[in-house]
Amino acid sequence: EAGVAQSPRYKIIEKRQSVAFWCNPISGHATLYWYQQILGQGPKLLIQFQNNGVVDDSQLPKDRFSAERLKGVDSTLKIQPAKLEDSAVYLCASSYDVKNIQYFGAGTRLSVL
Amino acid sequence: KNEVEQSPQNLTAQEGEFITINCSYSVGISALHWLQQHPGGGIVSLFMLSSGKKKHGRLIATINIQEKHSSLHITASHPRDSAVYICAVNYNFNKFYFGSGTKLNVKP
Repeated sequence: EAGVAQSPRYKIIEKRQSVAFWCNPISGHATLYWYQQILGQGPKLLIQFQNNGVVDDSQLPKDRFSAERLKGVDSTLKIQPAKLEDSAVYLCASSYDVKNIQYFGAGTRLSVL
Repeated sequence: KNEVEQSPQNLTAQEGEFITINCSYSVGISALHWLQQHPGGGIVSLFMLSSGKKKHGRLIATINIQEKHSSLHITASHPRDSAVYICAVNYNFNKFYFGSGTKLNVKP
């Protein structure tokens, strides 16, 4: 069974630039999560999708972050414009449904200079 | 106020020792997760539990709903168990909150 795929693995940008991350969950998984993990901290949930609907985006900085999962399969997370404090690892995870364990992708490490 | 507190923050053990990592949370939850994160970032879900106890190999997770407390135990620890162990809780199967992790180093 293929795992959760994320790309790119690494991204370096300058502040005020835009960046997008892509996630392809495990086939058949209805629930998809995006997390931000700042160095030395635990992950923080940014947004949770159930199929193509948003379940929770209360911790997503909506002035600069956006995410979509148009066909209920893969998802993109965008930051526009990026700030220095956005430097972090962005993790995508999926689960069969909300009551099952999550499977994590390898993450995208973002450095904002 | 939703908080997840883990202890200890750092733990060093000798190979073979019995290890306990603790997690406390502040309000009622729908489920608690234990995750393992190795250097380089990969995260693996170890357990998801809402009551009682679960066991997988040398790992045991328990939860006490009344006391709002969970423990992760590792029996016969091994250097390959060295990782960061993270506790996370969710409310109504969304609203996930994560602890800051316990960094475990098992020495041979």
